[in-house]
Amino acid sequence: AAGVIQSPRHLIKEKRETATLKCYPIPRHDTVYWYQQGPGQDPQFLISFYEKMQSDKGSIPDRFSAQQFSDYHSELNMSSLELGDSALYFCASSVPPARLAGKYEQYFGPGTRLTVT
Amino acid sequence: AQTVTQSQPEMSVQEAETVTLSCTYDTSESDYYLFWYKQPPSRQMILVIRQEAYKQQNATENRFSVNFQKAAKSFSLKISDSQLGDAAMYFCAYRSAWNSGGSNYKLTFGKGTLLTVNP
Repeated sequence: AAGVIQSPRHLIKEKRETATLKCYPIPRHDTVYWYQQGPGQDPQFLISFYEKMQSDKGSIPDRFSAQQFSDYHSELNMSSLELGDSALYFCASSVPPARLAGKYEQYFGPGTRLTVT
Repeated sequence: AQTVTQSQPEMSVQEAETVTLSCTYDTSESDYYLFWYKQPPSRQMILVIRQEAYKQQNATENRFSVNFQKAAKSFSLKISDSQLGDAAMYFCAYRSAWNSGGSNYKLTFGKGTLLTVNP
């Protein structure tokens, strides 16, 4: 079965550089979530999109932006990178809850490991 | 805002034995979903089991079962016949239900419990 695809899997950037993370959801999934997991931490919700519109926003820095495109893939853009941005970034996809009366799963991608030096 | 607490940073179990991981949560909502995710060393997030709050019956998935106590806001995971492959970080997570009136479907995670399985 098709899974969530994230690229790149590993990314090394220097401070103050820019990074773009990509997420390709499972086919027919139109909802995408981004999570950030720092070393030894639990995943923290950043932002979500449903039908190409932002549906919810968490603790996402102003230096970060994201969007969902017409083919439902999503990109997380991170500028002015800081050492503290080093983390594992997960994308998850799902069908919208209303379609399944709330019974849906968030399927996680393998994550992108970002290292800022 | 909802919070999820896992009070056991680490647990260990002997292979073939049973272990229970604890999770408590705080919410003012009446309808929601609770999950246990497993994160092995590969860091992949794997859904282990799900519980709908409106269901009184505890969820089970093969060797994994939960003890859901809604009034106590407790959601523990029991792993029976533990296997070496069960060794991982386990996260308890909360999600609002669609009919709670909002669009807040994000997952809120606990800090995790690192499970070690001894041969």
